[in-house]
Amino acid sequence: QVQLQESGPGLVKPSETLSLICTVSGFSISSGYYWGWIRQPPGKGLEWIGNIYHSGSTYSNPSLKSRLTISVDTSKNQFSLKLTSVTAADTAVYYCARHHTSGSYALDYWGQGTLVTVSS
Amino acid sequence: SYELTQPPSVSVSPGQTASITCSGDKLGDTYACWYQQKPGQSPVLVISQDSRRPSGIPERFSGSNSGNTATLTISGTQAMDEADYYCQAWDSSTVIFGGGTKLTVL
Repeated sequence: QVQLQESGPGLVKPSETLSLICTVSGFSISSGYYWGWIRQPPGKGLEWIGNIYHSGSTYSNPSLKSRLTISVDTSKNQFSLKLTSVTAADTAVYYCARHHTSGSYALDYWGQGTLVTVSS
Repeated sequence: SYELTQPPSVSVSPGQTASITCSGDKLGDTYACWYQQKPGQSPVLVISQDSRRPSGIPERFSGSNSGNTATLTISGTQAMDEADYYCQAWDSSTVIFGGGTKLTVL
């Protein structure tokens, strides 16, 4: 069974870099699919951040692209997120998920999510 | 940028049919999918590619997509279906989510 688990600091200071890792088990990242990040501010809706293929090719939300880096480590079966120059508006539950590679690019397996708070 | 519009809330009586709409320009020309999210939980994919039910999703969940509107239909709604529902599509190499609809079963 495919499982995803987010990990990283729960508190980040304004202007610093938010870094998260998603560890995948039960499925090899190298076998295909895109692997994505999604966030949800407290009490609000879902916002797609971006995704990555095992080859390293990425798609990103245009509104975050200038601050965003998504990378993959197939040897560890992990992919990661870095978001620079964070503000309070980046406070959210961050999810990692597996993406279909066609159709609606649906997200069929999700991690449990991790709350990241941006505060001094 | 492309937008998907959902009603903020929908109410339904137990056992009745709930319909949640998702509107976007020429949405029917692409695929839509739907997620269910209960409080404190991660979203769950309930419909992919307009009308496909992933394994484990009850048959009472169905979907359609035509013109400018995708629709999630829950037949024989149960109390356990009370949740937030989000539509999603792929446009110009980005994932777009609708704003979400809170389904109340009362």
